[in-house]
Formats: sequence, structure tokens, C-alpha cells
Amino acid sequence: AQTVTQSQPEMSVQEAETVTLSCTYDTSESDYYLFWYKQPPSRQMILVIRQEAYKQQNATENRFSVNFQKAAKSFSLKISDSQLGDAAMYFCAYRSPISNFGNEKLTFGTGTRLTIIP
Amino acid sequence: NAGVMQNPRHLVRRRGQEARLRCSPMKGHSHVYWYRQLPEEGLKFMVYLQKENIIDESGMPKERFSAEFPKEGPSILRIQQVVRGDSAAYFCASSPPGQGSTYEQYFGPGTRLTVT
Repeated sequence: AQTVTQSQPEMSVQEAETVTLSCTYDTSESDYYLFWYKQPPSRQMILVIRQEAYKQQNATENRFSVNFQKAAKSFSLKISDSQLGDAAMYFCAYRSPISNFGNEKLTFGTGTRLTIIP
Repeated sequence: NAGVMQNPRHLVRRRGQEARLRCSPMKGHSHVYWYRQLPEEGLKFMVYLQKENIIDESGMPKERFSAEFPKEGPSILRIQQVVRGDSAAYFCASSPPGQGSTYEQYFGPGTRLTVT
């Protein structure tokens, strides 16, 4: 079974600075998908960024980028120019490749609470 | 296109009562997933359904919990004889049919169940 570990329960960053959230995972599969979700106080789960394991290029979405190290099974999220609206819980998640029976469940880490300091 | 809808948003039940949580997937989505989030924890997979079929229920407790996704209407997560430990946020997610793509799961706002 796959596991996802987020070793930083809490992080804080000054507004406009850069912060990196860590995530490691364990799997025996060679192809899979990785995601970062944001959960603000409203508790709505919002997809921030995704990475396909077969792609060597790191995914980027505006101020959000990842550092995907497949051999090390590491998938960190970098937030540049942090804004007050970035304050939230951030969850790393793993998903197996699609199969005929749709083994599509997401396996989540325990989350990192990000605080933005004005 | 309306997002994933869940109702109720908040549900209070006394111990021993039944809880019914409803999820309407996004239009055109035929795959539904239920996750549970205990306080201060990440989301844990419970069950994956397609129309009229349970595909994967490996995360469902063996007793008191059941789920369905009928041909017509919303998906229902049913918890019988609730206990305090069932207090949690229950999230539903949906994705479109098909395979071979990075179809993301779109999450609803969740139902917060409180058992008193």
C-alpha cells in the first residue's frame, strides 16, 4: 500500500517571501500521480498543482511549483511571493494510475498548516 | 457548471441515530468517492462508486456504514447507529468517466457530522 508523509505539521512565512512544504511517499509503482491540495478555513479542498510521475519536468502553476524527485520519492511544494490568502492546510496526495477497475483513490498525507505573517 | 454538492453541510445526531449524507456529483461525472477527515487529520478514502456499482470499498468500516450511487439521484453515505467516533467531516469527490488521463477529483464542501 502507498503511504504519504508530511513531516512539517506547521510552517510560517512572511508575506511576499518563499516557503517550501515537504512531502515524501512510498510506492512500488513506477507510474502514478501526485497532487497538492489546499484546504482553507472554509474546508473546501482545492487542487493546487499536479504532477505525472512519467514527466521529468516539474509542474508549475503561477506562484506554485513543485520539486519532484522520483528516485528519492520526494514531492515538495514551493510557494513564491506568499500572500495572505495562501494561509491554509496543505495536503500532499498520491494516486495510482487508472486501471480497468479505477484504482483512483487518493492517499493523503496528514497536512501542513501554513501561516502567513503580514 | 455547478460543482459537487453535498448536503447537509452540518448534521447533528445523537448516539444510536442514523446519519444520511448526500452527494450530487458534477454534471457529466459518473464516478463518486467518499473520504472522511477526522479532526486535525488528513482525508482517508472510504469508498469509490460508479453508477449502481461499488468499485472499491476497502476504506469502509465493516459495520454500520454503507454507500450507494443509484442510477438516478445523488450518492448516499449512510451511517447507522452513530457513535461519537463517527464525528468527522465527510467529503465527496467526483470525476468524469473514462481512463488514461489525469482526471482530477473535484471535491464538494463536505458535511460536518457531530454526534452528541
